[in-house]
Amino acid sequence: EDKVVQSPLSLVVHEGDTVTLNCSYEVTNFRSLLWYKQEKKAPTFLFMLTSSGIEKKSGRLSSILDKKELFSILNITATQTGDSAIYLCAGLANFGNEKLTFGTGTRLTIIP
Amino acid sequence: EPEVTQTPSHQVTQMGQEVILRCVPISNHLYFYWYRQILGQKVEFLVSFYNNEISEKSEIFDDQFSVERPDGSNFTLKIRSTKLEDSAMYFCASRILNGQANYGYTFGSGTRLTVV
Repeated sequence: EDKVVQSPLSLVVHEGDTVTLNCSYEVTNFRSLLWYKQEKKAPTFLFMLTSSGIEKKSGRLSSILDKKELFSILNITATQTGDSAIYLCAGLANFGNEKLTFGTGTRLTIIP
Repeated sequence: EPEVTQTPSHQVTQMGQEVILRCVPISNHLYFYWYRQILGQKVEFLVSFYNNEISEKSEIFDDQFSVERPDGSNFTLKIRSTKLEDSAMYFCASRILNGQANYGYTFGSGTRLTVV
C-alpha cells in the first residue's frame, strides 16, 4: 500500500523564522511529489517535483526531492502570518489514472 | 484562471438519505476524481473517472457510492444511503492529460457533508 508520511505534525514558530517541513514516501511506480497549502478548504498547489536534487523556488518557498532516500523537504524562509496553514505533500503514481496519495499534513502556525 | 466548481458548499442530511454532490470540472480536462477528508484526517482518494468510466476506485468506494458524468460538463458523486461516518469534506479534482507544472491537477473548494 502506498504511504506518505509528514513531519512534524504541528509546528509553531515566530514570524520571521525559517521552517523546514519533511515528507517521506513509498509510492509504487512513483512519478512526482506534489506540495499543497491548505487553508480553509481546497488544497492549493505549491510545487511538483519529479527530478532528484533540483530545487524549485517560489518567493520565500522552496522544495527539493531526493529520490534515492524517498524524501522531500519544503522550506519557508522569513515566515509571515499568512503562511499559517496545513501543508500537504502527495505522491503521484506514474501509470493509469495518476491518483494522489496524501500525507496527514503539517499544521504550521506563525505567531506575530 | 479556470476553476473546478463544487456545489453545494455545505450539505446536511439525515442518516439513510441519498445525497448527490456536484462538480463542474475544467472544460478541457479529461480525468476526474473524488477525494474526501474526514475532519482532522488525511485527504483520501475515492475514485477516478476517465473516458466515461471508472478507472480506479479505493476500498472506501463501496456499493453505496457511484459517480456519473451525465451531460459532458457535470461530474457527480452519489451516496445512496448515508452513514454518520460519511461526514467529511469531499473534494472534486480534474486533470488535463499531461504536461503543465502541477500535472494539471486542480481541486475544487469542496463540499462539506454532515450526516446527522
